[in-house]
Amino acid sequence: EAQVTQNPRYLITVTGKKLTVTCSQNMNHEYMSWYRQDPGLGLRQIYYSMNVEVTDKGDVPEGYKVSRKEKRNFPLILESPSPNQTSLYFCASRPWTGTYEQYFGPGTRLTVT
Amino acid sequence: AQKVTQAQTEISVVEKEDVTLDCVYETRDTTYYLFWYKQPPSGELVFLIRRNSFDEQNEISGRYSWNFQKSTSSFNFTITASQVVDSAVYFCALKVHAGNMLTFGGGTRLMVKP
Repeated sequence: EAQVTQNPRYLITVTGKKLTVTCSQNMNHEYMSWYRQDPGLGLRQIYYSMNVEVTDKGDVPEGYKVSRKEKRNFPLILESPSPNQTSLYFCASRPWTGTYEQYFGPGTRLTVT
Repeated sequence: AQKVTQAQTEISVVEKEDVTLDCVYETRDTTYYLFWYKQPPSGELVFLIRRNSFDEQNEISGRYSWNFQKSTSSFNFTITASQVVDSAVYFCALKVHAGNMLTFGGGTRLMVKP
């Protein structure tokens, strides 16, 4: 089944404790991206990657890191999480060309206390 | 820069009513793509439709229809004879052809009461 998976789905952590949210897709998509969803703000793009070893900042990259060492994986790293990073996070992927429809993962709800 | 505005933050209707969700976008690009996504209470994001800037033909899919008007930079979504299962948050989004990012509106929460 074609899908984007994220782990963990739920995470409660404390300020300053490094964490990684994994994202994997099995559709051989070139493009992958991370979004955060906050009430009233919709989804805002954090980082995206156009292919292996090619990443770029989105609208809200501060406090986040990403890497793209393999085509299928695109982990999101919070080196020192803060309470303002409490949010719902989505990973997405799509082919580089075509319809530009993005396939979203199930979401990761992160709480930073 | 691109911008998408969904002015209606919440709409409440009674089942079988028709409801229109508004989406207004801003871009200087002439080639772009508009999307609607649905987020049911379970939280996942479900793709509904994509529309190209050069195709202003309206589209109907069952009870759903979309009205794209470049003259007013709007891409509105109408649900006919709403059902409780339509209760969700709906997002409008924009991607310009020359760009790599997808810009979302703030979303409209639709509540359909029995």
